[in-house]
Amino acid sequence: DTGVSQDPRHKITKRGQNVTFRCDPISEHNRLYWYRQTLGQGPEFLTYFQNEAQLEKSRLLSDRFSAERPKGSFSTLEIQRTEQGDSAMYLCASRTAGTVYEQYFGPGTRLTVT
Amino acid sequence: QKEVEQNSGPLSVPEGAIASLNCTYSDRGSQSFFWYRQYSGKSPELIMFIYSNGDKEDGRFTAQLNKASQYVSLLIRDSQPSDSATYLCAVGLTFGKGTLLTVNP
Repeated sequence: DTGVSQDPRHKITKRGQNVTFRCDPISEHNRLYWYRQTLGQGPEFLTYFQNEAQLEKSRLLSDRFSAERPKGSFSTLEIQRTEQGDSAMYLCASRTAGTVYEQYFGPGTRLTVT
Repeated sequence: QKEVEQNSGPLSVPEGAIASLNCTYSDRGSQSFFWYRQYSGKSPELIMFIYSNGDKEDGRFTAQLNKASQYVSLLIRDSQPSDSATYLCAVGLTFGKGTLLTVNP
């Protein structure tokens, strides 16, 4: 257990439905990152926050994806109108800006779109 | 588009040998370089970070960076079966596909 938690751990949804995932970082970490990973691939960067500000979002990310970190603590990632290609492991990581080694990933949320 | 290339392997080494993992990247302006270890079914774990040319050692791990050649490597000395995992190279926020390492007893 790294101290980063994600909920749910597994999600099965039908194509076209909306899904929302939650990440709770280590409490003193002000940076929070979202990635997704498919089998045999490395994690793909989606977006990151410093406190409540979303500082960068992947250009590859569809408008169907949105993320928030309203109070600079937990974050949510929403996918609207899910497609089968969205099936992946969604990973969250956190750290404090300036302390690169203190970076930890959560266990991930596995999304299956049927 | 920023790219990070790794040989997907598998790379197989005997116990006690040196494992050498390599990574090349496309963005000459990159400033930070990472190596992660990912066991099967688990999340990545950061094991090395390097930002300047040369070598950085941490225990049995040595990261090497050559910005002119846009090349970063990871050496694992005295490899152990517990080192068997996928090793992911990341440059900034971009990850490679990873190299599967198997250490045979």
